[in-house]
Amino acid sequence: DVKVTQSSRYLVKRTGEKVFLECVQDMDHENMFWYRQDPGLGLRLIYFSYDVKMKEKGDIPEGYSVSREKKERFSLILESASTNQTSMYLCASSAGPGETDTQYFGPGTRLTVL
Amino acid sequence: DAKTTQPPSMDCAEGRAANLPCNHSTISGNEYVYWYRQIHSQGPQYIIHGLKNNETNEMASLIITEDRKSSTLILPHATLRDTAVYYCTLTYYFGNEKLTFGTGTRLTIIP
Repeated sequence: DVKVTQSSRYLVKRTGEKVFLECVQDMDHENMFWYRQDPGLGLRLIYFSYDVKMKEKGDIPEGYSVSREKKERFSLILESASTNQTSMYLCASSAGPGETDTQYFGPGTRLTVL
Repeated sequence: DAKTTQPPSMDCAEGRAANLPCNHSTISGNEYVYWYRQIHSQGPQYIIHGLKNNETNEMASLIITEDRKSSTLILPHATLRDTAVYYCTLTYYFGNEKLTFGTGTRLTIIP
């Protein structure tokens, strides 16, 4: 089974702190994604990566950056956390282009910024 | 604009079939219909997908209309563990495509 793990289930940070969210997948997937999920807004894509050291902006990249130095690891960085970044953050991975590009999700990190 | 529309909530009696509808009237020829579900406080979980034909796996069945403008996810014998939010989404054949999840259908299984 595909396994996607995220570094923390719950995280509390203060405004202005630099925050790192880590995601690791164990299935040699090409693609990795970061989403945030807020009540009434569904899932929104922040960034995605289809190869090591490659990244593409999603729908809401402002205030975030990402890093993918190794194929299995995709990090989301909040350079200076703000209260409006309080949210559930979900990481996902998929095999890559093809007929069945199913995305597999991690358990999520609930981030609270005070 | 959302590419798929789903009812916000549904109830289903335990042991009965749960039928969850999804409208995707602007679907293009190379888009697949995917279904995911999200149990409270967990990440979304893949259920099933299809292009034109009806599909079945160990979790569910997917019925896609001939014009492909709508689909129905069927959970044949719903259990309490099927209580979740169900999302219908579209994905291109060539992948590398972001998922667009709307607000989904909150399915509650009634004992």
